[in-house]
Amino acid sequence: LAKTTQPISMDSYEGQEVNITCSHNNIATNDYITWYQQFPSQGPRFIIQGYKTKVTNEVASLFIPADRKSSTLSLPRVSLSDTAVYYCLVGEPRGYGNKLVFGAGTILRVKS
Amino acid sequence: NAGVTQTPKFQVLKTGQSMTLQCAQDMNHNSMYWYRQDPGMGLRLIYYSASEGTTDKGEVPNGYNVSRLNKREFSLRLESAAPSQTSVYFCASSIGTAEAFFGQGTRLTVV
Repeated sequence: LAKTTQPISMDSYEGQEVNITCSHNNIATNDYITWYQQFPSQGPRFIIQGYKTKVTNEVASLFIPADRKSSTLSLPRVSLSDTAVYYCLVGEPRGYGNKLVFGAGTILRVKS
Repeated sequence: NAGVTQTPKFQVLKTGQSMTLQCAQDMNHNSMYWYRQDPGMGLRLIYYSASEGTTDKGEVPNGYNVSRLNKREFSLRLESAAPSQTSVYFCASSIGTAEAFFGQGTRLTVV
């Protein structure tokens, strides 16, 4: 699995857009980028997955540049309820899923 | 739809005691996982099962054993609990992709 590097923590205010960047310099050709969200006292929840360019769903957007050595999770207009830990994982979408390894994640604190 | 169910939700053990954490999923998933999460830390993979009948070590397997009883159930056993195993334990399942579904966790304290 490709090693990932994320900021340890970030602070934001309600209504702002938050961008969390993940570095994965050793990403392989078949690897996808997957993001999870974990609220306090809960298990992680899958947010979004992508391979290149941009992916958007009802929760977030994922931006992946052409070299794929990094990715950015974008949360539009955050609220207090978006306070959570966000994890970036890199690996093949199938097969790699047999060994899901999480890093330390990024603690996002949203303030009023 | 229950998803991933873990039992018990809370447990206190004395050092040296044994116990089994149970996990069951009703989504017909092939892969199942056990993680531990210490306070303020990320998740660490203990063991995983890519499919029924197979199990493999993760990042921190020492002190634990697992059994993939059938496609639905994946149990984690502590043979001789130690205070260092105080943690929150999460079970997860997936069809084999990177989209996994997690249970609510078991909070284990070893005194």
